[in-house]
Amino acid sequence: EAGVTQFPSHSVIEKGQTVTLRCDPISGHDNLYWYRRVMGKEIKFLLHFVKESKQDESGMPNNRFLAERTGGTYSTLKVQPAELEDSGVYFCASSQYSGPYEQYFGPGTRLTVT
Amino acid sequence: AQSVTQLDSHVSVSEGTPVLLRCNYSSSYSPSLFWYVQHPNKGLQLLLKYTSAATLVKGINGFEAEFKKSETSFHLTKPSAHMSDAAEYFCVVSENTNAGKSTFGDGTTLTVKP
Repeated sequence: EAGVTQFPSHSVIEKGQTVTLRCDPISGHDNLYWYRRVMGKEIKFLLHFVKESKQDESGMPNNRFLAERTGGTYSTLKVQPAELEDSGVYFCASSQYSGPYEQYFGPGTRLTVT
Repeated sequence: AQSVTQLDSHVSVSEGTPVLLRCNYSSSYSPSLFWYVQHPNKGLQLLLKYTSAATLVKGINGFEAEFKKSETSFHLTKPSAHMSDAAEYFCVVSENTNAGKSTFGDGTTLTVKP
């Protein structure tokens, strides 16, 4: 069974540019989560999809971040325009059920904004 | 509201000696608790989880953790460290609700000396 995959593994962009991160969850997992770890701090929740619907987006930092999950399969997280403080590692996770169940994490995308 | 405190940012042990990684939590709900491990350039992997069953939880690779409600702790232990245990470890608390929103600790980096 393939795990959660994320693309790209690393992205370096300049301040003001746009970047799109992609996450492919485990097949059949309706729940998809995005998290972010900034500058070695704690991993913070960004948002939660159930199929194609946003269940909870309370962790999204501002309107420069847009997440989509068309068709309830893969998800994209777009940052436009990127700022220096957006640098960090963005993790995606998926789970079969909502609630306090194991989430399967991808390897993360390291975003560097210069 | 929920929070997690990992009491040590770095722990160093010698191979073959015991490992103790400390975690305290707070939660308005009866929580589910998890320990995840992240090896370099890999995704987070679940070590073990507590979901209101037995208070002593056994996980993979010889790790175990004990849920102590009176102390609001969920410390991770292993009797004998192996070089391959060197990684970063995260304690996570999750609401026992449909959302299952997860809150991460800051992480503890475990170094194993030969």
